[in-house]
Amino acid sequence: GEDVEQSLFLSVREGDSSVINCTYTDSSSTYLYWYKQEPGAGLQLLTYIFSNMDMKQDQRLTVLLNKKDKHLSLRIADTQTGDSAIYFCAESMRGGSYIPTFGRGTSLIVHP
Amino acid sequence: EPEVTQTPSHQVTQMGQEVILRCVPISNHLYFYWYRQILGQKVEFLVSFYNNEISEKSEIFDDQFSVERPDGSNFTLKIRSTKLEDSAMYFCASSLSDGKNIQYFGAGTRLSVL
Repeated sequence: GEDVEQSLFLSVREGDSSVINCTYTDSSSTYLYWYKQEPGAGLQLLTYIFSNMDMKQDQRLTVLLNKKDKHLSLRIADTQTGDSAIYFCAESMRGGSYIPTFGRGTSLIVHP
Repeated sequence: EPEVTQTPSHQVTQMGQEVILRCVPISNHLYFYWYRQILGQKVEFLVSFYNNEISEKSEIFDDQFSVERPDGSNFTLKIRSTKLEDSAMYFCASSLSDGKNIQYFGAGTRLSVL
């Protein structure tokens, strides 16, 4: 079955770039997503990328997709303390179930 | 900006009791979902609902669980006889039927079974 793996923690200094990595197993994955969960809140969709794309940029966020290695990354430029949250990688598959499979989430800690 | 709302934010119940978790999806969305997240574990899919019926469910969604859309705005998850292992954060989500399956999540209900 599908599996999505992420490292559990990432600690960065304010102003630095953060890179959160994710690997997935299903080569049929069509959509890959990044969700953000702040304390006490639900999952907020940050961005998504379609599998025929290699990169997507949205303000401070850059998503890179390496389909060959089944590797997805989220780069946050100029990381701020407000970026501290749990970041979930997820994938879903067109033509099958659209239900996303989530990773365990990466806790991003931004310190001054 | 429209959002998915869930109530209550925290529900405490005794083992064996029935609980109903409530959700108000975004008004023009057609697909509704329940997920759960046991502390420290992955977000797990429970069930999806479309056109007044279950469209997909996971192995977790056994006979103890049921979903209902009792009116035009609410979407509920009922657990008939709660077990200790049902303690988790339960998330409701909704999406348009536009093929991208961009799901919008509520803030969740934390269920604590004692």
